[in-house]
Amino acid sequence: EVQLVESGGGLVQPGGSLRLSCAASGFTFSSYWMHWVRQAPGKGLVWVSRINSDGSSTSYADSVKGRFTISRDNAKNTLYLQMNSLRAEDTAVYYCARMSGSYNGAFDYWGQGTLVTVSS
Amino acid sequence: SYVLTQPPSVSVAPGQTARITCGGNNIGSKSVHWYQQKPGQAPVLVVYDDSDRPSGIPERFSGSNSGNTATLTISRVEAGDEADYYCQVWDSSSDHYVFGTGTKVTVL
Repeated sequence: EVQLVESGGGLVQPGGSLRLSCAASGFTFSSYWMHWVRQAPGKGLVWVSRINSDGSSTSYADSVKGRFTISRDNAKNTLYLQMNSLRAEDTAVYYCARMSGSYNGAFDYWGQGTLVTVSS
Repeated sequence: SYVLTQPPSVSVAPGQTARITCGGNNIGSKSVHWYQQKPGQAPVLVVYDDSDRPSGIPERFSGSNSGNTATLTISRVEAGDEADYYCQVWDSSSDHYVFGTGTKVTVL
């Protein structure tokens, strides 16, 4: 059974940093591209970042580029999102998602999400 | 940047058909995926590559894509279909992934 379990969310002050983790199981993690998607309270889904299967290629939404870094450890079956210079508008539930195929594939499995709150 | 526009809400009686549109410039040239999200839950993929269904998704869910509009159709709507629905594509010009604005489906 495919499982994605996020952790690392919490309350952080503006300007602070946080690292999210997504532990994967039930599939060959190293074969799949992975994404982070966020959802502010009461709002829609917003794509954040993508990493390819071996970690050599990444992409970021304009709103987080230069502040967030996506990475992965295929030996540990874990996806990460390092978030720096956090702003109030980064407050959201952050989901990790597996993508089927590459580039234009669908997000076929999602984690349950972890809440990040940026507030003083 | 590429924009996907959905109607904010669609209301439908049980047993009837719900159609949710997703508008985007020449969206017919892209692969469109659809997700269902119920309150407090993670999204679930219901249609991928315009019209294919993942295993476990009822045949009542179907999709089409042409020109500037993609459509998710839910036939014989049930109370359990009440949820938010999002379309999604990959924008090759920016290598960004784009979600639609979302549509809340209410079963009357």
